[in-house]
Amino acid sequence: DIQMTQSPSSLSASVGDRVTITCRASQRFNNYLNWYQQKPGKAPKLLIYAASSLQSGVPSRFSGSASGTDFTLTISSLQPEDFATYYCQQSYSTPRTFGQGTKVEIK
Amino acid sequence: EVQLLESGGGLVQPGGSLRLSCATSGFTFSSYAMSWVRQAPGKGLEWVSAISGSGDNTYYADSVKGRFTISRDNSKNTLYLQMNSLRAEDTAVFYCAKATLGENYNYGEDYWGQGTLVTVSS
Repeated sequence: DIQMTQSPSSLSASVGDRVTITCRASQRFNNYLNWYQQKPGKAPKLLIYAASSLQSGVPSRFSGSASGTDFTLTISSLQPEDFATYYCQQSYSTPRTFGQGTKVEIK
Repeated sequence: EVQLLESGGGLVQPGGSLRLSCATSGFTFSSYAMSWVRQAPGKGLEWVSAISGSGDNTYYADSVKGRFTISRDNSKNTLYLQMNSLRAEDTAVFYCAKATLGENYNYGEDYWGQGTLVTVSS
């Protein structure tokens, strides 16, 4: 199974900050890496698929990138509605595995 | 408008069974792979199972293999998860989700239901 190690597990940031979340895979694979946002009591929302493709309707302040086994989600200017938990997920092979999540909190 | 609505959750004793359903609308159901993902209380997301649009191909997490069965009825636009031999550690909110790109499993899931809670306890 491919293990996804996500960091940090939590972070505190202010509105307008640039935020970066990283997922490291236990092995190299094609860029079948997705990012989700989840708010309390709600279903996850797809933000980025295939490492860097922005899902329709998602603001352009969200972006994704890949380098080897490292994948990064960047929020260029944090907005109040972005405070949530973010998960990466590899969709290269089954079982599909998620990172542990990163909770983005208000500083 | 794409909609996914789970049902069938509830309280069940260890060793018991439940069948979850996910009724869908707003897209050509048979053209899309579907998945179940769960989330234990206060924990992260765990992929459970997936099925191809035709239903011919199914995939499972090791933690549920042999106990859970995913299926679909394309005439009813409905996805199912039959859960047998339930354990306390299966307690979670179960979400159904639609593949972003047809039969292609590689691009994540773009629509999710609201979730249904399964509680396994005596």
